[in-house]
Formats: sequence, structure tokens, C-alpha cells
Amino acid sequence: AQSVSQHNHHVILSEAASLELGCNYSYGGTVNLFWYVQYPGQHLQLLLKYFSGDPLVKGIKGFEAEFIKSKFSFNLRKPSVQWSDTAEYFCAVRRAAGNKLTFGGGTRVLVKP
Amino acid sequence: EPEVTQTPSHQVTQMGQEVILRCVPISNHLYFYWYRQILGQKVEFLVSFYNNEISEKSEIFDDQFSVERPDGSNFTLKIRSTKLEDSAMYFCASSVSRYEQYFGPGTRLTVT
Repeated sequence: AQSVSQHNHHVILSEAASLELGCNYSYGGTVNLFWYVQYPGQHLQLLLKYFSGDPLVKGIKGFEAEFIKSKFSFNLRKPSVQWSDTAEYFCAVRRAAGNKLTFGGGTRVLVKP
Repeated sequence: EPEVTQTPSHQVTQMGQEVILRCVPISNHLYFYWYRQILGQKVEFLVSFYNNEISEKSEIFDDQFSVERPDGSNFTLKIRSTKLEDSAMYFCASSVSRYEQYFGPGTRLTVT
């Protein structure tokens, strides 16, 4: 069965700092990859996705992620965070032929002003 | 921007009772999903639904669970006889194709 690991449960950083959140998955076949964000009191929102092509994917709000197939990783990055980036971030993976998303455990990010 | 909506936002029920959680997917979407998140645990897939039938389900989705699209707008999850361990946040999602899933705000189910 596929699984998704997010290395950090909590991250605290100051505004303007750079952010990188790790995500690894365990499935050898073709996958689709996603990062979702959940702001306080809001629902899960799609930040970015990877299906095929350029492994460096740009999403909304200045986020990007890089798919490294050999490492089974899809790490999320943002060069300079803002206080409004305080949220919980979820990595999710789907087998290309399947329906279900398998989620990582989430990373809570607190950006201090 | 269209959104997935869910009602109620919070449901409290007694063990053994039936509950129905309701979702209104985005109007032109064709694929529908339920997920749940037990407090402190990962978001888990329950079931996907397409063309009026279940297309995939997890081991969690046993005979106590059922889904239905009773009309052109609603998508429901029924738990026939709730257990304490069914307490969780239940998320509905929908997608126009098999790719991007859009999530609702969730229903917090508390079984006492």
C-alpha cells in the first residue's frame, strides 16, 4: 500500500525566511502529486499539483515544488514567507490510475511577524 | 468561485444511531469523494463515486457506510450504526475529472 511521509510536524519561522517542507512517498508506479493548504478555520485548498512534464511546479501564492522521481520526493518551497502563510500543509499522492488521494500527516507552519 | 459545501458543520450523535452527512459538490463536477480525519491522525480516503456508483473504496468503508446521490446536487454519506471510533472530521470532495479534487469545509462528527 502506498504511504506518504512528511518529515516535519511543526515548523516555526520568521517572516521573510525561506520555507521547505519535505514529502516522500512509497509507490513505484506513476503518481500524481499534490500539496494542499489549510488556513486556520478554512477548508483544504489546492496549492499546486504535478502530473507530468517539468518536475519543477509553480503554484499559487509564490509556492513551488520539485518532483524528484529517484528520491520519491515532492518537496514544497517558498523563498520568503509571510505571516499569512501560517497554515497546515498536506502532501498527497494519487496513483495515476486510481481515484483516492493518500495524505501525509501534515505540517503545521507558524510564521511569526 | 464555486465551492463544495457540507452540512451540518458539527453533528453530535449517540452510539448506535444513524447519521447522514450531506455535501453539495461543485455543480459541473462528476467525481465525488469522502475522506475522514480522526483527531491527530492523517486524512484517510473512504470512497469515491462516479456515474452513480462506487468506483473505489477503502477497507474503512464497510457495510456500516453507504453513499448516495439522491438528486442532481447532493451527495450523502450514511453511517448506519455509529461507533465511538467513527468520531472524526468528514470531508467531502469533488472533481470535474479524475485530477484535482476540491474539498469542502468538513463535518465534525462526535459520537458519544
